[in-house]
Amino acid sequence: GEDVEQSLFLSVREGDSSVINCTYTDSSSTYLYWYKQEPGAGLQLLTYIFSNMDMKQDQRLTVLLNKKDKHLSLRIADTQTGDSAIYFCAETGGYQKVTFGTGTKLQVIP
Amino acid sequence: GAGVSQTPSNKVTEKGKYVELRCDPISGHTALYWYRQSLGQGPEFLIYFQGTGAADDSGLPNDRFFAVRPEGSVSTLKIQRTERGDSAVYLCASSLRQGAMDTQYFGPGTRLTVL
Repeated sequence: GEDVEQSLFLSVREGDSSVINCTYTDSSSTYLYWYKQEPGAGLQLLTYIFSNMDMKQDQRLTVLLNKKDKHLSLRIADTQTGDSAIYFCAETGGYQKVTFGTGTKLQVIP
Repeated sequence: GAGVSQTPSNKVTEKGKYVELRCDPISGHTALYWYRQSLGQGPEFLIYFQGTGAADDSGLPNDRFFAVRPEGSVSTLKIQRTERGDSAVYLCASSLRQGAMDTQYFGPGTRLTVL
């Protein structure tokens, strides 16, 4: 079945850039997403990328996709303490069954 | 309401009991999804509805789990003969339609603890 993997933890200093990485196995993945989960809050969709794109930028967020290696990354520029959360990579093959990774906990040190 | 709401926010039950978890989607959203998130894991797909019908229930772990959406709005996830392994946060999401690019808006979840 589909599998999405992420590193569990990332710690960065406020103002630095954060890069969260993800690998997936489903070669038919059509859409790839990044979600943010804060304590006590629901999952929030941050951004998404189509599989025929290799980069997408949205304000402080940059998504890079290497389809050949099935590698997705999320770069957060000028990381702030409010960015501390768990970030989930997710993918779907175009159907509604979305597969999530295990999440990367981002800790921002003031 | 403005977002997806779920009740109760917390549910503690004993092994073997029956529980119902409720989800109120965003008004007008035709698609509704249930996920289960165990501690330290990402959400795991359970089932999704398009309107009143379950379009894909392949994620339900066994026949103790059942979900309904009788009027195409509110949905109830029902778990019979609960087991300790059912303890998790149950997330509900809704989207305007069922296309992959229709953003799924998540509720805050119901934390189920089976003692």
